[in-house]
Amino acid sequence: EAGVAQSPRYKIIEKRQSVAFWCNPISGHATLYWYQQILGQGPKLLIQFQNNGVVDDSQLPKDRFSAERLKGVDSTLKIQPAKLEDSAVYLCASRTGLAGGPDEQYFGPGTRLTVT
Amino acid sequence: AQSVTQLGSHVSVSEGALVLLRCNYSSSVPPYLFWYVQYPNQGLQLLLKYTSAATLVKGINGFEAEFKKSETSFHLTKPSAHMSDAAEYFCAVSEHTFGNEKLTFGTGTRLTIIP
Repeated sequence: EAGVAQSPRYKIIEKRQSVAFWCNPISGHATLYWYQQILGQGPKLLIQFQNNGVVDDSQLPKDRFSAERLKGVDSTLKIQPAKLEDSAVYLCASRTGLAGGPDEQYFGPGTRLTVT
Repeated sequence: AQSVTQLGSHVSVSEGALVLLRCNYSSSVPPYLFWYVQYPNQGLQLLLKYTSAATLVKGINGFEAEFKKSETSFHLTKPSAHMSDAAEYFCAVSEHTFGNEKLTFGTGTRLTIIP
């Protein structure tokens, strides 16, 4: 079974530029998550999708961050304009989303963003 | 609101020694608890999870954790450390409302193995 794919793996941009990250979840997984992991901290949830609908985006800085999951499969996270404090690893995770309990979230390798 | 506290941002143990990584949780409902491991430049991998069944949970790579409600703890242990265990470990809690299962992570513990 293929894992969660993310691209690019690394990105360096200047502040005020825009950037986009792509995630392809495990086939058949209905739930998709984007996390932000700042150096020295644990991952923090930015947004959760169930199929192509948003379940929770309470911690997404909506003035600069946006995310979409068209057709309930791939997802894109965008930052525009980027700030220095956005430097972090952006992790995508997916799970089956079926009823019956908290089945495992599978994580991708992440995209390391450096804003200069 | 749910939260976890990991005591010790860095832990060093000798190869072959006991590994003990501490995690305390706070949750308004019976929690589900998880330990994840992260190797350099990789995503997180699930080690083990507690979902209200047996309080002693066995995971991959020889790790186990014990849920202690009275102490609100979920410490991770391994009897004998191996060099390959060097990584960052994250404890996480989930309040399991169906359709809104989300993890809250601790700040992580970096485990170093001394040869």
